[in-house]
Amino acid sequence: DAKTTQPTSMDCAEGRAANLPCNHSTISGNEYVYWYRQIHSQGPQYIIHGLKNNETNEMASLIITEDRKSSTLILPHATLRDTAVYYCIVRSGSGNTPLVFGKGTRLSVIA
Amino acid sequence: NAGVMQNPRHLVRRRGQEARLRCSPMKGHSHVYWYRQLPEEGLKFMVYLQKENIIDESGMPKERFSAEFPKEGPSILRIQQVVRGDSAAYFCASSYQSQGYEQYFGPGTRLTVT
Repeated sequence: DAKTTQPTSMDCAEGRAANLPCNHSTISGNEYVYWYRQIHSQGPQYIIHGLKNNETNEMASLIITEDRKSSTLILPHATLRDTAVYYCIVRSGSGNTPLVFGKGTRLSVIA
Repeated sequence: NAGVMQNPRHLVRRRGQEARLRCSPMKGHSHVYWYRQLPEEGLKFMVYLQKENIIDESGMPKERFSAEFPKEGPSILRIQQVVRGDSAAYFCASSYQSQGYEQYFGPGTRLTVT
């Protein structure tokens, strides 16, 4: 079972920041937080991951609370092409373990 | 650098036939994962392979399903005697050993059993 809790759906206006929350209250010390998204029925796309510190790349920013029990994925300027299901996944940092997908958040970006 | 490649993209089989799904990982990647997504459901892990070895098959159905990743060539997911309940999207992902953590997914194979 997934170790994360996410809202079922969210809307965001085009051009605005999309903030997607995730709760992972049972995360352990060596577990990372990963975010993937799945646009329509395409293969999931890796977005970003982090352990303790906030992370930023060309796609998004990841903000992890100090107690690591929750995090927020930020898409700074959402476009219509960002409409997708976003998955927050907690995964062990040791070894190549499989990803456990929950139901994710369906983000709809509205013009 | 080409991404993960899967073929065929669409596969139609009659009940009782065999389905073979192929996955070519990204260049330099030696770890392959297979996931299945049933209609209107989430992605579920099936099997994790390294070259010539099955590392974790805890998500594989006990019968009719098998997977391999030979020394040369693509990884193969094989489904024998397909049934309608096998209709799904099958995704392959690969990762690079030393990086370890990001898995990159292919476009998937959509299997329809008639």
